Amino acid sequence: DAKTTQPNSMESNEEEPVHLPCNHSTISGTDYIHWYRQLPSQGPEYVIHGLTSNVNNRMASLAIAEDRKSSTLILHRATLRDAAVYYCILRDVAFWTGTYKYIFGTGTRLKVLA
Amino acid sequence: NAGVTQTPKFQVLKTGQSMTLQCAQDMNHEYMSWYRQDPGMGLRLIHYSVGAGITDQGEVPNGYNVSRSTTEDFPLRLLSAAPSQTSVYFCASSTGLADQETQYFGPGTRLLVL
Repeated sequence: DAKTTQPNSMESNEEEPVHLPCNHSTISGTDYIHWYRQLPSQGPEYVIHGLTSNVNNRMASLAIAEDRKSSTLILHRATLRDAAVYYCILRDVAFWTGTYKYIFGTGTRLKVLA
Repeated sequence: NAGVTQTPKFQVLKTGQSMTLQCAQDMNHEYMSWYRQDPGMGLRLIHYSVGAGITDQGEVPNGYNVSRSTTEDFPLRLLSAAPSQTSVYFCASSTGLADQETQYFGPGTRLLVL
């Protein structure tokens, strides 16, 4: 199974942009790149996902390398509420075989400084 | 919509006892999953279901059983609890549509096995 590698922790100042990197050198052609975050004592929540092209939504942007071996989650202006563990996940659902792979790594703990 | 609900929120078991963790969703999602999260770790997939009557094993299925008789419910059964099963358990549901999929997680069940 394809795996992801993320730094254990990162710090950012409030109101500044944050770039959270993720390496996934063994990604397959059908793997979507998903990002979730987990606030303390809560279940994970969806942030963004993409396949090949960069993606933007109200929460964040996702920049995907041309070879798809890495990606970066961009929080444009970090707030104290963004302090969480961020997970980069490769997701492959093969409907033709019925397999469903959604492998979480250990994530990056983001600390936001006031 | 209540989203994904889990009961109980917290449970203490003795080694060898059995119990069922309940999970329900009201979003008519086909895909449902159970994860466990050990302290300081990411989530690991236990079992998943791609629809009523269809279940399959994830990364760490040993010691757990699941069934899916309805679209809404996906209970997780611990057959004979062991201290190694002390963890936080999360249930999730999603549409399973590759380009649109977002997993919705429940609030979790904290299980302590003595």
